[in-house]
Amino acid sequence: AQTVTQSQPEMSVQEAETVTLSCTYDTSESDYYLFWYKQPPSRQMILVIRQEAYKQQNATENRFSVNFQKAAKSFSLKISDSQLGDAAMYFCAYRNPSGAGSYQLTFGKGTKLSVIP
Amino acid sequence: DVKVTQSSRYLVKRTGEKVFLECVQDMDHENMFWYRQDPGLGLRLIYFSYDVKMKEKGDIPEGYSVSREKKERFSLILESASTNQTSMYLCASIPSPRGGTEAFFGQGTRLTVV
Repeated sequence: AQTVTQSQPEMSVQEAETVTLSCTYDTSESDYYLFWYKQPPSRQMILVIRQEAYKQQNATENRFSVNFQKAAKSFSLKISDSQLGDAAMYFCAYRNPSGAGSYQLTFGKGTKLSVIP
Repeated sequence: DVKVTQSSRYLVKRTGEKVFLECVQDMDHENMFWYRQDPGLGLRLIYFSYDVKMKEKGDIPEGYSVSREKKERFSLILESASTNQTSMYLCASIPSPRGGTEAFFGQGTRLTVV
């Protein structure tokens, strides 16, 4: 079974600075998908960014980018120019592309990010 | 926009009560999920369904059951609520079982069992 590990339960960053959230995963698959979800105090889970394992290029969405290291099974999220609205729980998630278990996301335990004005 | 709606944001129930948590999605998605979210434990899958009347156990199905009589609706049932089922419950749906399609989540139901 796949596992996802987020080793930083809490992190903080100064407004306008850059922060990196860590995520590692364990899988025997060669093709899969990785996601970062954000959960603000409103509790609504929002997709931040996704990465397909067969793509070597790291995904980028505006101020959010990932550092995907397939061999190391590492998938970190970098937030640049942090804003107060970035304060939230961030979850890393894994998904198989097909076959058994392809329907479900496996989540890490989350990292609570605080942004200091 | 895809909408996943959970019937209640907050719910307080007594020990031993039968509890129904309802989830409705409006985009004809085949796959629906129930997760439980607890501090320090992340999201854990309780049950999922990939078609009407079809269901599969997730990682923590004990004490729960589900019902999917219509494609748009997926219900989580606590047959006899217990205090250790006090938690946040999140419903999600995905339009296809393959690919990198994102999951869409409801706003969560915070259930307290007293």
